[in-house]
Amino acid sequence: EPEVTQTPSHQVTQMGQEVILRCVPISNHLYFYWYRQILGQKVEFLVSFYNNEISEKSEIFDDQFSVERPDGSNFTLKIRSTKLEDSAMYFCASSLQTGDFGYTFGSGTRLTVV
Amino acid sequence: GENVEQHPSTLSVQEGDSAVIKCTYSDSASNYFPWYKQELGKRPQLIIDIRSNVGEKKDQRIAVTLNKTAKHFSLHITETQPEDSAVYFCAALPLSNQFYFGTGTSLTVIP
Repeated sequence: EPEVTQTPSHQVTQMGQEVILRCVPISNHLYFYWYRQILGQKVEFLVSFYNNEISEKSEIFDDQFSVERPDGSNFTLKIRSTKLEDSAMYFCASSLQTGDFGYTFGSGTRLTVV
Repeated sequence: GENVEQHPSTLSVQEGDSAVIKCTYSDSASNYFPWYKQELGKRPQLIIDIRSNVGEKKDQRIAVTLNKTAKHFSLHITETQPEDSAVYFCAALPLSNQFYFGTGTSLTVIP
């Protein structure tokens, strides 16, 4: 079964440093997403991306966040200057179309900001 | 935007008993309602889903019901087993393409 792959599985960074979280969506999917889950809390939407541009973003996705699809396979989330409260599990997801068609989550990257 | 509420936040049942988790949503345009099971430190895994044109769906020990008028949907697990212990999230998908998740229910099945 096709999978969404995320790397690294765990990243520790110093406060103020930049981090890049990487995702490889399912190859024929067209829509890409990032979600965040702070420990013990619900999964929250960050951003969706289609046709090489952001299609929607939440209020969490402020100027310190950016996304990019640098090539035909990777989808990245960059956090420019990490804060302690950015510590969370970050999930990438992809889907074939709008709606639920094959909406698949990656295994997540646990980001710890110290 | 959509607002999804989920109850209870924790639920303990004896092995073999049934478990019911309930969610309400606010956006009448939402048309897809998945349920996810999440084990500690792992990704949410889709366990069952229902679309707005269906009232009930069943898959072995798991069933989901949807009441569009009342804007609520429920997850039913029968004959619970210890391996059902996990956090369960409901979600709703409105016309925007982002999921809105409930706050989660931590289910413990006591052997």
